[in-house]
Amino acid sequence: ELKVEQNPLFLSMQEGKNYTIYCNYSTTSDRLYWYRQDPGKSLESLFVLLSNGAVKQEGRLMASLDTKARLSTLHITAAVHDLSATYFCAVDLYNDMRFGAGTRLTVKP
Amino acid sequence: GAGVSQTPSNKVTEKGKYVELRCDPISGHTALYWYRQSLGQGPEFLIYFQGTGAADDSGLPNDRFFAVRPEGSVSTLKIQRTERGDSAVYLCASSLKGSGSGYNEQFFGPGTRLTVL
Repeated sequence: ELKVEQNPLFLSMQEGKNYTIYCNYSTTSDRLYWYRQDPGKSLESLFVLLSNGAVKQEGRLMASLDTKARLSTLHITAAVHDLSATYFCAVDLYNDMRFGAGTRLTVKP
Repeated sequence: GAGVSQTPSNKVTEKGKYVELRCDPISGHTALYWYRQSLGQGPEFLIYFQGTGAADDSGLPNDRFFAVRPEGSVSTLKIQRTERGDSAVYLCASSLKGSGSGYNEQFFGPGTRLTVL
């Protein structure tokens, strides 16, 4: 059975600090997506990673994909309060996407 | 341009009742997906439409759940004899998949929060 595992599930960090969220998956796929969800809101697309070695950056967030290791990372640089949200990775299985359980990030001043 | 819209935003019903949830995808998006998200969880796939047909309905939990997309645009998710365990946020997403796009970035609607009392 396909598993998409994110860790940590909960992350509390200070403003200005760096941290990495990990997404491991158990099937062959070279397409992975990262989404952000604010409380009570829907999912907002952050990154689309379409090949092994893909790296995308937007502001303080950088995502990468290693399809051989079946691992994607979301790196946060110099966190700010506005980044507080839940972050999901999702593996593209052609007909559907399988989501991780999410990482709930809280950035404290 | 308009994003994915869903109605109603909230639906409260009683156990055993029938409900319909509507999704209006982004214009031109041929692929449409329904997901269910329980509190503290990631979205769980229910069904995928390519055009008018259900290309994959393997995520529907049982035969009380049914979805249609008769004209290849708006979709309705129908739940019969609702149970308390059906309470969740139902998300709809659409994408350009199957329209020449090489990937499947999905754009999500705001969701319908279903509460079964």
